[in-house]
Amino acid sequence: GAVVSQHPSWVICKSGTSVKIECRSLDFQATTMFWYRQFPKQSLMLMATSNEGSKATYEQGVEKDKFLINHASLTLSTLTVTSAHPEDSSFYICSASWGRGTDTQYFGPGTRLTVL
Amino acid sequence: QKEVEQNSGPLSVPEGAIASLNCTYSDRGSQSFFWYRQYSGKSPELIMFIYSNGDKEDGRFTAQLNKASQYVSLLIRDSQPSDSATYLCAVNIQTGANNLFFGTGTRLTVIP
Repeated sequence: GAVVSQHPSWVICKSGTSVKIECRSLDFQATTMFWYRQFPKQSLMLMATSNEGSKATYEQGVEKDKFLINHASLTLSTLTVTSAHPEDSSFYICSASWGRGTDTQYFGPGTRLTVL
Repeated sequence: QKEVEQNSGPLSVPEGAIASLNCTYSDRGSQSFFWYRQYSGKSPELIMFIYSNGDKEDGRFTAQLNKASQYVSLLIRDSQPSDSATYLCAVNIQTGANNLFFGTGTRLTVIP
């Protein structure tokens, strides 16, 4: 149980284009989903937290207009990197939690984004 | 002061030995503690969580929590080369919320 998927697993795009990453909880309803970014040899950096049906809460320093998050259902959250630039190249990982008194987060497999 | 601190390592142990990974946290009110394993190029996978003081065992893994000392550790018995990975400690610092604060991770290498 507690399986989280992400799509795509990797993507290469040109500078200036937008990229959408999907995060799905496959066997549970995720009241909260989290988006992280990880640069090589660095730890996870939380970008934002989203609750189903609510606006995402962004961490300090993360541009909400550049990283658009939509959590339209209890099983799906999307992250759109708008007008991507090479410095946005990173490993983007989502996690999901079903709440109800537990704060365990289950991670998706991650999406490796390369912006040329 | 960082909320969650880990020794970045690398920590090297011979195969079959016990690997001991340590983590300290700053908020005395923290309630939930997690250990994740992350292989290079992969996302973190949950190993175990612990909420109460003392030891919690799951197979070759034992988590130890000491809230008075604000210290949580992970012991890996009979270490295998496949245990070589980065181990992330995560703590829920905010009561009532479910945000986890992650340490920077400890790189473990098990030498055959």
